[in-house]
Amino acid sequence: TQLLEQSPQFLSIQEGENLTVYCNSSSVFSSLQWYRQEPGEGPVLLVTVVTGGEVKKLKRLTFQFGDARKDSSLHITAAQPGDTGLYLCAGGDYGGSQGNLIFGKGTKLSVKP
Amino acid sequence: NAGVTQTPKFQVLKTGQSMTLQCAQDMNHNSMYWYRQDPGMGLRLIYYSASEGTTDKGEVPNGYNVSRLNKREFSLRLESAAPSQTSVYFCASSEEGLAAAYEQYFGPGTRLTVT
Repeated sequence: TQLLEQSPQFLSIQEGENLTVYCNSSSVFSSLQWYRQEPGEGPVLLVTVVTGGEVKKLKRLTFQFGDARKDSSLHITAAQPGDTGLYLCAGGDYGGSQGNLIFGKGTKLSVKP
Repeated sequence: NAGVTQTPKFQVLKTGQSMTLQCAQDMNHNSMYWYRQDPGMGLRLIYYSASEGTTDKGEVPNGYNVSRLNKREFSLRLESAAPSQTSVYFCASSEEGLAAAYEQYFGPGTRLTVT
């Protein structure tokens, strides 16, 4: 069974601080997605990484896929209150049932002004 | 574009009652999915439909049925609701294709309570 473990589960920081969220597995994934979910809403796709070692940047957010495609990290620089939300990583296995994503349980981020 | 829409937003049922959750997407996506989200459990796939006319079980299908009515609409039915089905239900859709199928677009969710 493929599992994705996210750490930390909860993170509360002050505006302007930097942070890193981790997503780890013992399984290899063909691709990995990061989603952000705000209270009362559905997850929104932030990025997809597919190549081992790949780094993608989205403004102050930097996403990295591990060389072995088993782990990923999300780094936020100078966090802002608008970054508050639940960050979910999700892995896809192209050899499995198409579209079946395995989700981590999420990291709940709170950025205080 | 409205994206993925779900109705209702909230619902309270008594044990044993039935109901259908509706989902529609206007992005011309082939694939659609139903998930449930529970505290501490993350998002779990209930059923999915890779294309119109096909449906397959996901990780937690027991107690649910689905219908892919047409390319736009994918409904989830609870025939006899149980308290264990209290959850937030999300519908999602994606384009066809090996990589695109994993980039899913979610609706706003239906918050269901079964008493």
